[in-house]
Amino acid sequence: QVQLVESGGGLVKPGGSLRLSCAASGFTFSDYYMSWIRQAPGKGLEWVSYISSSGSTIYYADSVKGRFTISRDNAKNSLYLQMNSLRAEDTAVYYCARGVAGYSSSWYEEWGQGTLVTVSS
Amino acid sequence: EIVMTQSPATLSVSPGERATLSCRASQSVSSNLAWYQQKPGQAPRLLIYGASTRATGIPARFSGSGSGTEFTLTISSLQSEDFAVYYCQQYNNWPHTFGQGTKLEIK
Repeated sequence: QVQLVESGGGLVKPGGSLRLSCAASGFTFSDYYMSWIRQAPGKGLEWVSYISSSGSTIYYADSVKGRFTISRDNAKNSLYLQMNSLRAEDTAVYYCARGVAGYSSSWYEEWGQGTLVTVSS
Repeated sequence: EIVMTQSPATLSVSPGERATLSCRASQSVSSNLAWYQQKPGQAPRLLIYGASTRATGIPARFSGSGSGTEFTLTISSLQSEDFAVYYCQQYNNWPHTFGQGTKLEIK
């Protein structure tokens, strides 16, 4: 069965860095685009970043552009989010989510369980 | 960026009754709209894509309609497990954007 398992969250001070990982299994990872989507405590969903199936196309939300870097390793079936210069407003549960094979933009069929990032001094 | 606006913010409905949730886009998204259900402590679950197509395993009591800028999610006869927060999402343009959510609560 399809599984997306995030890891790497935790408590970090403002200005610090964190690297999130998402391990994928149960499907051909290299066929799907992936996104990171976050949810601040008690708030709604916010799309953060997108990477195409090959990794050649990348998008970021304006709120994280220049601070976050998305990447993937198709040989390891893994997705990453390098987060630098973290701010209090980056505090959220971060989900990795899978798009639809063959689409460059679609709904999200599968979601991980999320990993909590807390930015606080 | 396309702004998605959901209404109402909270909807109180009795079990067995019908619930109608609305989602409006600030510009046309064609039929490129999805609905998700989220329960406390859980990840969102896909319900509807293409504005009206139910995802795999989603009961027939869930239906979606609309195109362009106006969309509706209808739950025909509410079951206890349907009380949750519902989000719409447009994928017509990047950045993908979500509505702020409608909390469906038991009346």
